Amino acid sequence: AQSVSQHNHHVILSEAASLELGCNYSYGGTVNLFWYVQYPGQHLQLLLKYFSGDPLVKGIKGFEAEFIKSKFSFNLRKPSVQWSDTAEYFCAVSSGGGADGLTFGKGTHLIIQP
Amino acid sequence: ETGVTQTPRHLVMGMTNKKSLKCEQHLGHNAMYWYKQSAKKPLELMFVYSLEERVENNSVPSRFSPECPNSSHLFLHLHTLQPEDSALYLCASSQDPRGTSSYNEQFFGPGTRLTVL
Repeated sequence: AQSVSQHNHHVILSEAASLELGCNYSYGGTVNLFWYVQYPGQHLQLLLKYFSGDPLVKGIKGFEAEFIKSKFSFNLRKPSVQWSDTAEYFCAVSSGGGADGLTFGKGTHLIIQP
Repeated sequence: ETGVTQTPRHLVMGMTNKKSLKCEQHLGHNAMYWYKQSAKKPLELMFVYSLEERVENNSVPSRFSPECPNSSHLFLHLHTLQPEDSALYLCASSQDPRGTSSYNEQFFGPGTRLTVL
């Protein structure tokens, strides 16, 4: 069975600080990896995804993530955060192929202080 | 309407009631999902439908009964629920990538906030 671990449940940063949110998964086969974001009062939106190819993927709003297969990790990064990045961030994995459900981590609540 | 819509957005019900949650996707997808989001727990997959056939049921209690009459609509029928079933129920859709080189990107609706008294 798949599982996803997000190390930081609550993160508080100041504007312009750099961000890195950890995500590790356990699954031995081919995986598709995702980061979703949920802004206050809004529904889940896809930030970025990894399917294959370049392990460094870029998403919306200046976010990027790096897939490190040897470490089973897919950490999310942003060099300079903004107050509008305050949200809940979820890492998710699917086994790839077919209409597979996603396995989610518990989420990281990110608060950016102005 | 665009994307994935869910109705109602909020629902309060007693343990003996029967109610249904509705999800509709306007993206031309052929796979739909129900997830449960409880406080302090990860989103949990409940049901998967692809091409209107149920392909996965994650050991969900029988008091939750899904129905997928066509590729655009998904229902979750609720009966004799328990207070611990109170949660946000999310619907998602995607294009089943089987037979292609694509991937399973899912689009989520806003959810139905369910409270069981």
